[in-house]
Amino acid sequence: QKEVEQDPGPLSVPEGAIVSLNCTYSNSAFQYFMWYRQYSRKGPELLMYTYSSGNKEDGRFTAQVDKSSKYISLFIRDSQPSDSATYLCATRTGSSNTGKLIFGQGTTLQVKP
Amino acid sequence: SQTIHQWPATLVQPVGSPLSLECTVEGTSNPNLYWYRQAAGRGLQLLFYSVGIGQISSEVPQNLSASRPQDRQFILSSKKLLLSDSGFYLCAWSNEFRTPNSPLHFGNGTRLTVT
Repeated sequence: QKEVEQDPGPLSVPEGAIVSLNCTYSNSAFQYFMWYRQYSRKGPELLMYTYSSGNKEDGRFTAQVDKSSKYISLFIRDSQPSDSATYLCATRTGSSNTGKLIFGQGTTLQVKP
Repeated sequence: SQTIHQWPATLVQPVGSPLSLECTVEGTSNPNLYWYRQAAGRGLQLLFYSVGIGQISSEVPQNLSASRPQDRQFILSSKKLLLSDSGFYLCAWSNEFRTPNSPLHFGNGTRLTVT
């Protein structure tokens, strides 16, 4: 079993839709959670970074963490064609200074105009 | 502000040839540095990380090596490339020293094709 599971998609939605991207993880020691957006042929770009359970909002993006279920989500409101990218969830334990992240496989999102 | 530079953007090399990919970070000191490889449909695989000059940790046995000759410089190398070394190589940094548990920030990657 992978430490972080993420449906690779692809996920195709019409412009303006609400998008829900999800990951599950197996290690209860994971404490920090991130979402990255990666455009084709580019490096991943940090979108959201959160520690506690609950919601964190930034513009059209909301990150949600449920530590009891080991489930993390990213919601995109009013999706735009420019949101078309691969979205990677990532997590870490926070117990060492190595800073190593465990990544999901990434979900490919296409927003159609 | 901090920036990360990675070059070249694309590279085509024959099997058996050497490799050197370079990554530099600006605007910070004592960063943690990382090399990841991303294969299609397989996510990000951590290859090496470094918490300081000359300190290299390898995550997986492979045909590659890494070096950190300066605080903000990280180099990925190979003496003889294999076909299986093809992939998208990403350098990343984090500010772990100043901000524990901080996220990673990535460069724009090098797409390596070994022919």
